[in-house]
Amino acid sequence: GQNIDQPTEMTATEGAIVQINCTYQTSGFNGLFWYQQHAGEAPTFLSYNVLDGLEEKGRFSSFLSRSKGYSYLLLKELQMKDSASYLCAVMDSNYQLIWGAGTKLIIKP
Amino acid sequence: DAMVIQNPRYQVTQFGKPVTLSCSQTLNHNVMYWYQQKSSQAPKLLFHYYDKDFNNEADTPDNFQSRRPNTSFCFLDIRSPGLGDAAMYLCATSRVRGQGSDTQYFGPGTRLTVL
Repeated sequence: GQNIDQPTEMTATEGAIVQINCTYQTSGFNGLFWYQQHAGEAPTFLSYNVLDGLEEKGRFSSFLSRSKGYSYLLLKELQMKDSASYLCAVMDSNYQLIWGAGTKLIIKP
Repeated sequence: DAMVIQNPRYQVTQFGKPVTLSCSQTLNHNVMYWYQQKSSQAPKLLFHYYDKDFNNEADTPDNFQSRRPNTSFCFLDIRSPGLGDAAMYLCATSRVRGQGSDTQYFGPGTRLTVL
């Protein structure tokens, strides 16, 4: 079966750095997406990785290792507004998005 | 601004009373998706349209139907809502389907309550 694993919840301090990991087992791979979802709102697109390596976008970076079936989202200089769930999703060989259940990130002052 | 719009944002219905949720987009995207998301769970794809081509997920109950009368609009009909259908319903669009880089853009969602 296809599976995406992420930690259920993480806590970090305002101004710090946090890394949210995602491991996946899917039938084929056509890219990995990270979305941010605030409570009661829709997911918003953060990043897309299809090749190995690090993609940096402001305070947020996303890393991919296809051989390890692994990605992480790195958030720097954490702000209170970063409190949200972060969803990892992989596009499989049928171009279907397989979603993780999300990691709830709690930022403390 | 180009966007995905969902109405209503909150919908309350009674057990067994049909309900329709709507989605519109100004992105001129070819593909529209309907997802169901329950608290602390991953979004679950119900179906998608590629232009007028309807694609139903194998495990989507018959209770859920969809219509796409034109490129901009898509509707989700729940014929006889049960208590288990209470969830957030998310509409998303993408420019095409079948390319790895195709990003899905989401509307704000409709939270459905079934009494």
